[in-house]
Amino acid sequence: DAGVTQSPTHLIKTRGQHVTLRCSPISGHKSVSWYQQVLGQGPQFIFQYYEKEERGRGNFPDRFSARQFPNYSSELNVNALLLGDSALYLCASSLLGSSYEQYFGPGTRLTVT
Amino acid sequence: DAKTTQPTSMDCAEGRAANLPCNHSTISGNEYVYWYRQIHSQGPQYIIHGLKNNETNEMASLIITEDRKSSTLILPHATLRDTAVYYCIVLSNNAGNMLTFGGGTRLMVKP
Repeated sequence: DAGVTQSPTHLIKTRGQHVTLRCSPISGHKSVSWYQQVLGQGPQFIFQYYEKEERGRGNFPDRFSARQFPNYSSELNVNALLLGDSALYLCASSLLGSSYEQYFGPGTRLTVT
Repeated sequence: DAKTTQPTSMDCAEGRAANLPCNHSTISGNEYVYWYRQIHSQGPQYIIHGLKNNETNEMASLIITEDRKSSTLILPHATLRDTAVYYCIVLSNNAGNMLTFGGGTRLMVKP
């Protein structure tokens, strides 16, 4: 079975630009969560979507937004990029909306210059 | 959610058991202990979780003390591929699924 997939693998953007990251959950999983991992730190929770509705939001500015599609895939959008947004962006899927047993993708490495 | 304390780093010889401790002295009765690991350049991987009883699966064993204030993750026969950062997370099973990762323990398995 395919695991969680994310695209692109790597991305380089300039300050002020916007970026869209994509995630496909494991087949049958209805919940997708997004995490940001800055170098040297543990992942930080950004959003959770379950059944196409936002179920949780971490302490991130409004420049960060996300959505989930009818096929349960998800997009994370970041506007007005800052240097500090450079990080590994991880997507995790789970079967239910309230499950801590989550399956992570390999992440998208975003570099903002 | 209760806070956890883990050693920053540990070494283990290949083939030996790796015992990773975690202190969670403020854990409350409805909070579970979860363990994840993150191998370099990969996303975190769920390992195991427990409430009060010891748990074992194909990856590891989880030993929780009787007072639940600490726990130990045991990898019975560590291999080089077990080199990773191991995160101990304490969570209550409410409606959310937000994982709060701390610094974790960097386990280095040496030949």
